[in-house]
Amino acid sequence: DAGVIQSPRHEVTEMGQEVTLRCKPISGHNSLFWYRQTMMRGLELLIYFNNNVPIDDSGMPEDRFSAKMPNASFSTLKIQPSEPRDSAVYFCASSFSGNTIYFGEGSWLTVV
Amino acid sequence: GQQLNQSPQSMFIQEGEDVSMNCTSSSIFNTWLWYKQDPGEGPVLLIALYKAGELTSNGRLTAQFGITRKDSFLNISASIPSDVGIYFCAGPEGGAGSYQLTFGKGTKLSVIP
Repeated sequence: DAGVIQSPRHEVTEMGQEVTLRCKPISGHNSLFWYRQTMMRGLELLIYFNNNVPIDDSGMPEDRFSAKMPNASFSTLKIQPSEPRDSAVYFCASSFSGNTIYFGEGSWLTVV
Repeated sequence: GQQLNQSPQSMFIQEGEDVSMNCTSSSIFNTWLWYKQDPGEGPVLLIALYKAGELTSNGRLTAQFGITRKDSFLNISASIPSDVGIYFCAGPEGGAGSYQLTFGKGTKLSVIP
């Protein structure tokens, strides 16, 4: 079975540019999560959706960050404008109404 | 939010040795999860614990849910090089059935062949 699929795997961009990260959750899962991982702060939950509806976005750091889930099989996390401190690994994860969350392989973002 | 404290932060061990790591919380958790993250990959669920005192094994891995519900430990027996990675404990922030997981900072394991 296909797991959570993220793209791009790696992105290097210049400060000020828009970054869009994409995620396809596991088919049949109804919850989707965006996490950010850094050395300093570890894994932080940015936002999660249940049945395509954003439930809690309190982890989204600033207005520069936005996330959408237009349908059950696709979500995006957008950073505009990007800053060097946004450099991190961004994970998308999904689950079916429970605690077992399956992670994608991550999108490694570097903002220079 | 709730915080999970993992120790040790990192460890270097010889291949074949047993490993023990733990996770503590200032508040009660009703579920404990242990994840492993291989270098360059996303975390993968190893073991889930749902009941205080529960002891669960998955191959060479054994995890226990502490009686106080404020701690959990993970043991790895007879370590091998592919055990290298970061081990995270996690629990649902809003209680059992919550969709929001809180993660510890991880224990980074290095295995010397």
